[in-house]
Amino acid sequence: DIQMTQSPSSLSASVGDRVTITCQASQDISNYLNWYQQKPGKAPKLLIYDASNLETGVPSRFSGSGSGTDFTFTISSLQPEDIATYYCQQYDNLPHTFGQGTKLEIK
Amino acid sequence: QVQLVESGGGLVKPGGSLRLSCAASGFTFSDYYMSWIRQAPGKGLEWVSYISSSGSTIYYADSVKGRFTISRDNAKNSLYLQMNSLRAEDTAVYYCARDLTGPTRGGFDPWGQGTLVTVSS
Repeated sequence: DIQMTQSPSSLSASVGDRVTITCQASQDISNYLNWYQQKPGKAPKLLIYDASNLETGVPSRFSGSGSGTDFTFTISSLQPEDIATYYCQQYDNLPHTFGQGTKLEIK
Repeated sequence: QVQLVESGGGLVKPGGSLRLSCAASGFTFSDYYMSWIRQAPGKGLEWVSYISSSGSTIYYADSVKGRFTISRDNAKNSLYLQMNSLRAEDTAVYYCARDLTGPTRGGFDPWGQGTLVTVSS
């Protein structure tokens, strides 16, 4: 199975800050990488697909980049409503595996 | 709007069985792969199984292979997960999701609200 390692596991930042989360795959997955946001008590929501494509309706402050084994998810200016846990997920190989999640809190 | 609604969760004893259902609306269900994904309490996400649009292709995570069976009824716009020989470690919220994985893009979208399965004596 492909292992997905996210860092950090948790993050505290202030409103307006630029926030970056990284995701590393245990082998080359090209750009077959998605990012999800999960708010407490809610189902995950797809934000970015294929490493860098913003899902329709998702605010442009969210972005993603990377290919191969190293990927980055960025919030350009943190908003209070962005408090959530963020997950990366690869779909290059079955099983489709997720990172362990990054819990984002407001400082 | 595109919507998925799960049902069928509950409390079951170890070794027992449960059947989850997922009702789809707002899109042409028969055109899409579908997946089940679970989340143990306070833990991360684990993909469980997927089924192709026609039902001819199915995959399972090793953790559930031989115990769980995914199926679909395109006439009823419904997805199912039959869970047998349940273990305590199967305790989780189970989500169904439209699986957009294909040659041009990927991603699970949308997800249902989830249904809680608790395996305990």
